[in-house]
Amino acid sequence: SYVLTQPPSVSVAPGQTAKITCGGNNIGSKSVHWYQQKSGQAPVLVVFDDRDRPSGIPERFSGSYSGNTATLTINRVEAGEEADYYCQVWDSGSDHVVFGGGTKLTVL
Amino acid sequence: EVQLLESGGGLVQPGGSLRLSCAASGFSFNFYAMSWVRQAPGQGLEWVGGISGSGGTIDYADSVKGRFTVSRDKSKNTLYVQMNSLRAEDTAVYYCAKHDYEVATSKLDYWGQGTLVTVSS
Repeated sequence: SYVLTQPPSVSVAPGQTAKITCGGNNIGSKSVHWYQQKSGQAPVLVVFDDRDRPSGIPERFSGSYSGNTATLTINRVEAGEEADYYCQVWDSGSDHVVFGGGTKLTVL
Repeated sequence: EVQLLESGGGLVQPGGSLRLSCAASGFSFNFYAMSWVRQAPGQGLEWVGGISGSGGTIDYADSVKGRFTVSRDKSKNTLYVQMNSLRAEDTAVYYCAKHDYEVATSKLDYWGQGTLVTVSS
């Protein structure tokens, strides 16, 4: 089955840039979506189709990919963006929705 | 406004059954694919299963295949998951989520607030 690999944690100071990676075999051939989950809340879509943002999501959130890694970048991080972040793809080989293990973003 | 409201969670003994419901409103329920996603305490998100807008395609995670059944009632705008032969490892918050297209290959653009299922004796 398809596996997405994320670092367990990323730390950044307020106002700095956070980069959260998501590795997967040939991930560039798939559409990658990113979700933010704050403590005790449901996930929220923040980036879809690799780099697009839903309405209401700040432009500071962006997505990209290179090689076998997709990256969620959050510029000028705010304290309120401390959360768990998950990447997700559709695996056509198994007809499964696949999530990465999640990355806890800590704002120092 | 899109709203997804899960219900039916609770405490159940190992080997027991439970049916969760997700009442949908604010969009054309009959068109969009839907999925169930769960989250065990302190753990990450795990997709459970999904159903196409027509209901003709249903897929399951290997961990629940043969035990869980996802269905939808278009007349009631409601998504269901029937969970049988429950195990301790099925303990989780269960979310229903809407895909943004007819098939489950698309992103999950709206999520419910979740319902807690606890499997314990």
